[in-house]
Amino acid sequence: NAGVTQTPKFQVLKTGQSMTLQCAQDMNHEYMSWYRQDPGMGLRLIHYSVGAGITDQGEVPNGYNVSRSTTEDFPLRLLSAAPSQTSVYFCASSYRALGANVLTFGAGSRLTVL
Amino acid sequence: GNSVTQMEGPVTLSEEAFLTINCTYTATGYPSLFWYVQYPGEGLQLLLKATKADDKGSNKGFEATYRKETTSFHLEKGSVQVSDSAVYFCALSDRNSGYSTLTFGKGTMLLVSP
Repeated sequence: NAGVTQTPKFQVLKTGQSMTLQCAQDMNHEYMSWYRQDPGMGLRLIHYSVGAGITDQGEVPNGYNVSRSTTEDFPLRLLSAAPSQTSVYFCASSYRALGANVLTFGAGSRLTVL
Repeated sequence: GNSVTQMEGPVTLSEEAFLTINCTYTATGYPSLFWYVQYPGEGLQLLLKATKADDKGSNKGFEATYRKETTSFHLEKGSVQVSDSAVYFCALSDRNSGYSTLTFGKGTMLLVSP
């Protein structure tokens, strides 16, 4: 099983450029989420989805858009990249299991904004 | 809101030493608690979990007990190995997000020398 697949693994952008980080899971998980990891900050939630067509904001949503048109895919869009968005991004998914959800993480996408 | 506080690192130990990484939490509901591990260059993997008070999670020689009275979930291992060198994250999920997302601590780096 592929699990959670993120692409690209590495990306360099210039300030103001746009891009989409892709996330796909093949486990039929209802829940998907995006986190960013910065040194000394742990992982912070950007956006999440509890099912196709449903998304919500996390702790640090500004500058990012998401949509969930299918169960499998949850892309993260940067409309106008800023240096503050330089980070490692992780996508995660889980099934619905009250109180015992175990998130499966992708390998991460390292983004540098110049 | 929810928060997780864990001891700052790096924690530097010799092989076969005893490990404790402290974790305390603040949550409005009755959270589930997790420890995730991140090996260099990889995504996060679940290490262990506990979903109710006094539960003990265990895996690969690591243990943590859910202490509601002290709002703690300290990670312990009796004898660490070089291969345990990684970053460890304490995290919680709760009913407010349908247990679909995690709130993380900032992470503790463990370095084990031979």
